[in-house]
Amino acid sequence: DTAVSQTPKYLVTQMGNDKSIKCEQNLGHDTMYWYKQDSKKFLKIMFSYNNKELIINETVPNRFSPKSPDKAHLNLHINSLELGDSAVYFCASSQEGSDTGELFFGEGSRLTVL
Amino acid sequence: AQKITQTQPGMFVQEKEAVTLDCTYDTSDQSYGLFWYKQPSSGEMIFLIYQGSYDEQNATEGRYSLNFQKARKSANLVISASQLGDSAMYFCAMKTSYDKVIFGPGTSLSVIP
Repeated sequence: DTAVSQTPKYLVTQMGNDKSIKCEQNLGHDTMYWYKQDSKKFLKIMFSYNNKELIINETVPNRFSPKSPDKAHLNLHINSLELGDSAVYFCASSQEGSDTGELFFGEGSRLTVL
Repeated sequence: AQKITQTQPGMFVQEKEAVTLDCTYDTSDQSYGLFWYKQPSSGEMIFLIYQGSYDEQNATEGRYSLNFQKARKSANLVISASQLGDSAMYFCAMKTSYDKVIFGPGTSLSVIP
């Protein structure tokens, strides 16, 4: 079983469309994250949730709306897609209070906006 | 402000040699954690090693060791006996308050046969 799974892995869409990326973790972790990796490989934190509650919102345009229906799921919905939204989006999870608290990453979702 | 700096955009190392990847960080938090991740060309993020700010000994995991110098705010990754499969992007990261994890810009390591 994949610990952190994201769907879809690839997404190609037109400017102005709305799209969603789903993320699920089966590790029982309390905290989930969304990161954006741009073409220069820079990883930028977007959001984090702890037990369905939004903890971090890093000045992301409000076209991006995360939703956490339960602590195992964190979805990302993007409205009115722009060319600059093209990137790889990574979902991750971690366990609060664990020895290392490392992030477990999904495989990434590559979004291409044409 | 919390920040991670990796000053080496690209590094080359001969197979079987050791290599050090630099990382400096800035935080006003007393308690924090430092990580290194590897991202091969296939794209997945692989956790390598962790160092807590209160850990007195440098962390080691197999061929990876973390040279932690708290006063200098540095957390360099040392890879011993480099292998061709070590060619990848390497990211230094820091977890601070609210479990926020930020990443440095990365270092691209190429291992030469």
